[in-house]
This record gives sequence, structure tokens and C-alpha cells, in this order.
Amino acid sequence: QKEVEQNSGPLSVPEGAIASLNCTYSDRGSQSFFWYRQYSGKSPELIMFIYSNGDKEDGRFTAQLNKASQYVSLLIRDSQPSDSATYLCAVPTLKGGYALNFGKGTSLLVTP
Amino acid sequence: IAGITQAPTSQILAAGRRMTLRCTQDMRHNAMYWYRQDLGLGLRLIHYSNTAGTTGKGEVPDGYSVSRANTDDFPLTLASAVPSQTSVYFCASTPSPGNTEAFFGQGTRLTVV
Repeated sequence: QKEVEQNSGPLSVPEGAIASLNCTYSDRGSQSFFWYRQYSGKSPELIMFIYSNGDKEDGRFTAQLNKASQYVSLLIRDSQPSDSATYLCAVPTLKGGYALNFGKGTSLLVTP
Repeated sequence: IAGITQAPTSQILAAGRRMTLRCTQDMRHNAMYWYRQDLGLGLRLIHYSNTAGTTGKGEVPDGYSVSRANTDDFPLTLASAVPSQTSVYFCASTPSPGNTEAFFGQGTRLTVV
């Protein structure tokens, strides 16, 4: 079992809707959590990071963290076709010298 | 242009050949990483280096070696390529190990035939 789990999707939402992407992690000691977006054929780029329980908002994006449930999510409000990409959840891992341990990613498709 | 650069961007390699993927960053980041990305398996860590002169093994290190002679460069070598090493390889760096944003290179698409 991978230490960071995501549903692979694809998750399809209509333009203007809220897209909800979920991630669970196994290491209770994890302190920081990252969401990356990856367009097809491109490298991952950071969207948001969150350290504390609760919500963190940045424009149309909101990251939610619940350490007790070992759950982190990403909400995208007013989804646009340009948001269609794969979203990767990542958590630093002690095993890899604190390298980011990535989930397999969730594919999001926003339909016009 | 500040950032992280990989070379080559793509390569077709005969099985059994030796290949070095290059990675250079000019951000003076201490930590650097090599990942491979395969369909259905996501990004998997091959090797990492938390500072110049040190390296460590990640999740899938077999068949690969790295060196970190200086802060800027972190080459990945395939000593004798096999078809299962066909993948997209990403180099990444962070200012310090853990809890900070990782910056990625543009990737190297490697096909071993």
C-alpha cells in the first residue's frame, strides 16, 4: 500500500462547478502537505501547501487538512476547462531524506 | 533563467548501453531528487541528495546511480539500460530537505529498446 493514496479518477465536473480532490496519508507524524498540478506532458507545479488543521484558501483553490483523520483535500471553485490536469498530493517522507512522497494523482476533466 | 534544467529532453537508448541524465539548478538549493514517472504508478523517488557530497536511495534505486560533486549538478546514470527503465525522469530540488516547495525540471523521456 502506497503511503499517499488518491483516487485515480478521472473526475469529471462541468465548468463552473466545484471540484473536490481527496488524499489520505499513512504517516501520522507528517507535518506538511502539498498539492501539485501536472498538465499532460509537463512537469508538476505547486498549487498549494498546508501545515495546519483546517482550511487554507488561495484564489479559487482551498486546501483542507484533517490530521486526526489523516486526510487532505483540494477544492477548486468555479472550475475552468484550463483546470483539466492531473492533481498530485505529496507528503515529505523521512525514508527518502524528506523527499516528497507522491500519490498516483487524480485526473480532473472540466467540461465546457 | 533561474531554475532547474534537464538534458536531454528525450532519448531512445539501446538496451545494455550506459546513459547519464543531466540535471543542473542555479537556485543554490541544497537538496536534489530524481523521480521516475510511469503510467499508473505515479512519481517514484529513485535517489536523493540532501547536500553536496551526500546521496541516498529512494524507493526504486536499482539500476541507477547518482553523484553530487557540487551544489548545482545531480546526474543520474543508468549503467546498463533495460527496457523496464523506459520512463519519464524528473529532477527536482528544494532549498532544504523536507517541508518546502519542490521545483521540477522539464523532464527527460527515455525509451530503452
